[in-house]
Amino acid sequence: AQKITQTQPGMFVQEKEAVTLDCTYDTSDPSYGLFWYKQPSSGEMIFLIYQGSYDQQNATEGRYSLNFQKARKSANLVISASQLGDSAMYFCAMRTRGNLIFGKGTKLSVKP
Amino acid sequence: SAVISQKPSRDICQRGTSLTIQCQVDSQVTMMFWYRQQPGQSLTLIATANQGSEATYESGFVIDKFPISRPNLTFSTLTVSNMSPEDSSIYLCSVEGPGDRAFEQYFGPGTRLTVT
Repeated sequence: AQKITQTQPGMFVQEKEAVTLDCTYDTSDPSYGLFWYKQPSSGEMIFLIYQGSYDQQNATEGRYSLNFQKARKSANLVISASQLGDSAMYFCAMRTRGNLIFGKGTKLSVKP
Repeated sequence: SAVISQKPSRDICQRGTSLTIQCQVDSQVTMMFWYRQQPGQSLTLIATANQGSEATYESGFVIDKFPISRPNLTFSTLTVSNMSPEDSSIYLCSVEGPGDRAFEQYFGPGTRLTVT
């Protein structure tokens, strides 16, 4: 069965520091994609970063990078130089041949 | 990335009524997805809508409750019928990325529905 696990309901980080949000996944399909989304209090889902299962290098998008460890089935999101505007819910998601399934999310709070 | 708009952005509705949510995309897409996010929860897929065919519903969701239309490649509607307070959620439209970005998936701004 396909499953996404986010074990951190909430995280705090000091402004300008880096933070890692954890995500583990489970699938028997060799081809899959991993996603991270940010959801601010407004409710919109903002696409942050994508990692394909066959990608050799970790994905990076600006201050976001995805630490992809295939053997461990983990896809942690690293946010560098945190900003106050990074405070939001963060969802890890996976898509195989089927549909996109989501973890329960991590609420990130950035402290000034 | 695709630009997606939804109408309305939010609404407060009475029990027993229906609401139709519109989703418009700035490019032609094959598949459109409708998700529900109940308060404090993660996202759950309601159905997948392809142009010219019936929507495919996920377990726990039925066409009578959530009828979907997909008249063309840039537009879809989701109706929440005979609403109850349990239908209070954010409803999100989603599409795959265009062209060589089809492996990505983008979301509209959502419709925040409150049923009283």
